Amino acid sequence: GAGVSQSPSNKVTEKGKDVELRCDPISGHTALYWYRQSLGQGLEFLIYFQGNSAPDKSGLPSDRFSAERTGGSVSTLTIQRTQQEDSAVYLCASSLIAGDEQFFGPGTRLTVL
Amino acid sequence: GIQVEQSPPDLILQEGANSTLRCNFSDSVNNLQWFHQNPWGQLINLFYIPSGTKQNGRLSATTVATERYSLLYISSSQTTDSGVYFCAVRPWGNNRLAFGKGNQVVVIP
Repeated sequence: GAGVSQSPSNKVTEKGKDVELRCDPISGHTALYWYRQSLGQGLEFLIYFQGNSAPDKSGLPSDRFSAERTGGSVSTLTIQRTQQEDSAVYLCASSLIAGDEQFFGPGTRLTVL
Repeated sequence: GIQVEQSPPDLILQEGANSTLRCNFSDSVNNLQWFHQNPWGQLINLFYIPSGTKQNGRLSATTVATERYSLLYISSSQTTDSGVYFCAVRPWGNNRLAFGKGNQVVVIP
């Protein structure tokens, strides 16, 4: 597609359940980033993938969060045993190469009840 | 980590007015981006401007990297300019963006 796509657009889950969020970057972009936006914390970095290099996981808030990127394209962010404080909009971005201009998807709004 | 401060936090404009939004950052950066977040939450790229001045229609931006600030100018504002404007910087040696808290702009007819 022309831009970064994310699914689902909205996800409501119960506390303790696992969720998977998907990101499809712009075709040909080698770098992929996950951020989240919450009322209290603003926009914060979670994890970054560049090609086949080891991802930069330094922004993940706990070991309940993990992400993978298969085949250098689609990425999945997994949150295990969700907590209410995980409620936020999860944004994915991609760039042509590392450090280049980043383009964002529409986000997934996660609500944990 | 790097601190990014945006001012003013809130701004109400009469349609047709001009305004300037400011972004200060606490350390040297490799890149800087300005975004507009629309009412649906989508971050729209406005400028990719590590230094210098760029213009796009009624919007322009200037980054003075040596003095660690960037300015976003909105001229002849329209109601569609309403929303939150974010400044984001990429520190040297890092590939992530660090965001400011945003400027909430409301343009009234």
